[in-house]
Amino acid sequence: QKEVEQNSGPLSVPEGAIASLNCTYSDRGSQSFFWYRQYSGKSPELIMSIYSNGDKEDGRFTAQLNKASQYVSLLIRDSQPSDSATYLCAVKGVGSSYKLIFGSGTRLLVRP
Amino acid sequence: EAQVTQNPRYLITVTGKKLTVTCSQNMNHEYMSWYRQDPGLGLRQIYYSMNVEVTDKGDVPEGYKVSRKEKRNFPLILESPSPNQTSLYFCASSRTRDTEAFFGQGTRLTVV
Repeated sequence: QKEVEQNSGPLSVPEGAIASLNCTYSDRGSQSFFWYRQYSGKSPELIMSIYSNGDKEDGRFTAQLNKASQYVSLLIRDSQPSDSATYLCAVKGVGSSYKLIFGSGTRLLVRP
Repeated sequence: EAQVTQNPRYLITVTGKKLTVTCSQNMNHEYMSWYRQDPGLGLRQIYYSMNVEVTDKGDVPEGYKVSRKEKRNFPLILESPSPNQTSLYFCASSRTRDTEAFFGQGTRLTVV
């Protein structure tokens, strides 16, 4: 079992729709969770960080965390073609080391 | 502007010729790390540093060296590059062990 799992996609949604991206993680003790957006050939760009159960909203983005189910999601409202990218879920590893574990990413396509 | 700067952005080299990729951050972050990104394998951590003179191995350290002599700089050294080190490399920094990581622009390395 991979430590952080994401559906590779592509997830295709029409412009203006809600895109829902999901991520599961294996280490129950994980406490820090992040969503990054990455355009092809570019560096990952932080969208959201979330540390507590529940929802966290920032503009069109909402991150949701459920530690009991080991599940974190990202909702993108009013999706735009410019949102088309790969979305990476990252989970901070448990313990004293500095380890950020990435999922393989979900490719999102927003159709005009 | 707060940023992580990597150089060079693109590099083509020959097998066995030592090279260094530089990374510098201006945010006074304690934590820095190097990742490589390969198709189908995602982002994998090579080495990380928790402070000056404190470094440790990530998931794929073989063939790489790092040093942290100053807080702002964290160079990646390939003493004898091989073709399997052809990849897209990212440097990242974080204020603390559990907070978000900010990435440099990336270095695309080709070893022939």
